[in-house]
This record gives sequence, C-alpha cells and structure tokens, in this order.
Amino acid sequence: EVQLVESGGGLVQPGGSLRLSCAASGFTFSVYAMNWVRQAPGKGLEWVSVISGSGSYTYSADSVKGRFTMSRDNSKNILYLQMNSLRAEDTAVYYCAKASDYPDPQALDYFDHWGQGTLVTVSS
Amino acid sequence: SYDLTQPPSVSVSPGQTATISCSGAGLAETFACWYQQKPGQSPVVIIYQDSKRPSGIPERFSGSSSGNTATLTISGAQAMDEADYYCQAWDSRSALYVFGTGTKVTVL
Repeated sequence: EVQLVESGGGLVQPGGSLRLSCAASGFTFSVYAMNWVRQAPGKGLEWVSVISGSGSYTYSADSVKGRFTMSRDNSKNILYLQMNSLRAEDTAVYYCAKASDYPDPQALDYFDHWGQGTLVTVSS
Repeated sequence: SYDLTQPPSVSVSPGQTATISCSGAGLAETFACWYQQKPGQSPVVIIYQDSKRPSGIPERFSGSSSGNTATLTISGAQAMDEADYYCQAWDSRSALYVFGTGTKVTVL
C-alpha cells in the first residue's frame, strides 16, 4: 500500500525557514516524479514544485521560485521541501503527491496518491 | 503559463446530472485530470487523461475534452458527491502544473 507521510510543518516568523519532509513507502520511490501541492486556508489547490525520479531536476511555480528548493533522497525514500524567506501568503497545508506513472513530469501524468498534509503557518 | 477557470459553484438535485467546466488556453495541447476533495481530506483523482476513470471510481463520474475546455460530468449525483472539484493540467511550455480555480458541488 502506498503511503506518503508529511512532517515538519509548524509556526514560523516571516522571513524564516522551514524544511518539510515526506516519507514514502509501498512503491519504488526512485521510479516516480514527486510533487508538492499547497492549499491556503479556505482556498484552492496550488501546485508548488515537482522533482524528477532521479532527482536530477526540479520545476517550481513562479510564486516560490528562488525561495523554495525541492530535493529527494532515493536511498531513504524521503522527499524534502526547503522553504526560505517565508511570507504570510505561504501559509497553507502542504501535500506531497506521487506522480502516477512516470519519472518525469508530463501531460499524461497525474497525482495518484497524496499525503495527509502538514500545516505551515507564517506569522509573527 | 495559463489559467484554468472553473465555475465557483454548481448545485444539483439528487439523481440529476452536474457538469463542471474547466477552461484554459493551453488545454487543447494537453490532457486534463480531475480531483475530488471533501472537507478535511486530501484530494483524490477521479478522472485522468481527459476521460479515464481510476479503478474504484464510480461510473457516474465521466470526463471529456474539446478544444480549450475540459468537462467533468456527474450523472445521477448522490449526496456523497458533495465536495470541491479541481481540474489540473501540465503546461509543457512553462514546465509547470496548473490547477483549476475549483468548483464546490452541492447536492440538494
């Protein structure tokens, strides 16, 4: 059974940093691209970033580019999101989501498994 | 990148049909998928590659796409279908995923 368990969320001051983790199990982690998706309180889903199965490249939304860095440790089956220069508008539940079929992001793919999410609150 | 626009809300009577549109300039060049999200829960994919249904998803959910618009149809809506629905697509020109604005479906 595929399981994705996020951790690392919490309260942080504006301008601060936080690192989220997503522990994966139940599938061959390195074969699939992985994503972070966030949802601000009462708002819709916003895609944040994707990393290839090998971890060799990432793509990110403009809203986080230059501030958030996605990485993965395929030996430990863990996904990371390093968040720097945090702003109030980054407050959200952050989900990790597994790509359905491919190691590289593409049109055919979709997110077939999601974690339960971890809440990040940016406030002074 | 382009935006994916959905109606904010759709109301449907039990047993009737609800349709949700998702419009975006780049949809003609890619595939759309749809997620259902109930309060306090993580999203679940219900349609992928425009019209395919994952195992375990009821047949009353169907999808289609034409030009720059993708459509989710719930045929014979049930109370349990009350949820938020989001479309999503991959924008290959900008190398990013895009989510639709979301639609709240009310069955009453």
